Amino acid sequence: AQKITQTQPGMFVQEKEAVTLDCTYDTSDPSYGLFWYKQPSSGEMIFLIYQGSYDQQNATEGRYSLNFQKARKSANLVISASQLGDSAMYFCAMRGGSQGNLIFGKGTKLSVKP
Amino acid sequence: ETGVTQTPRHLVMGMTNKKSLKCEQHLGHNAMYWYKQSAKKPLELMFVYSLEERVENNSVPSRFSPECPNSSHLFLHLHTLQPEDSALYLCASSLSPPLVGADTQYFGPGTRLTVL
Repeated sequence: AQKITQTQPGMFVQEKEAVTLDCTYDTSDPSYGLFWYKQPSSGEMIFLIYQGSYDQQNATEGRYSLNFQKARKSANLVISASQLGDSAMYFCAMRGGSQGNLIFGKGTKLSVKP
Repeated sequence: ETGVTQTPRHLVMGMTNKKSLKCEQHLGHNAMYWYKQSAKKPLELMFVYSLEERVENNSVPSRFSPECPNSSHLFLHLHTLQPEDSALYLCASSLSPPLVGADTQYFGPGTRLTVL
């Protein structure tokens, strides 16, 4: 069975510092995709970054980068130079399996302190 | 970003009411999804539509009834709900159906539903 685990219910980071949000996954599929979404208090899930299981390089999108360690089955999100607007819930998700649907973790609440 | 819109944003209803949630995507996508987000639980996939045909129903109670009249619109009809159905209901869309490619799902802002 596929599973996404986010072990940090909440994280604090000082403004302008970098923060790493952990995500581990479990799957027996050779082909899968990993996603990170941000959910502010308004509720909308905002797509941040994607990593394919066959991608050789770690994905980057602006201040977001994904530290993909395939052997360890981890896909941590790194946010550089944190901003107050980064305060939100962050969800790791995996796409794969027989139906190709997204499976989400329980999320990490990030709070950025001024 | 107004790619996926949902109405209403907030809804309060009694257990005997009938209401509908609406989702519209302006991205030219071919697949649409309904998710339920309850407090302290991961997002749960409810329904998947691909090219207006339902392709997935994750054992959702019959009091939730989806409708996809065209590739841009998705409805969730609600009747005789229970208090435990109170949650944030999120709609999403993707260019291709789940099994094709590695398309990203784009979400709407959600409807926060409270069942009294």
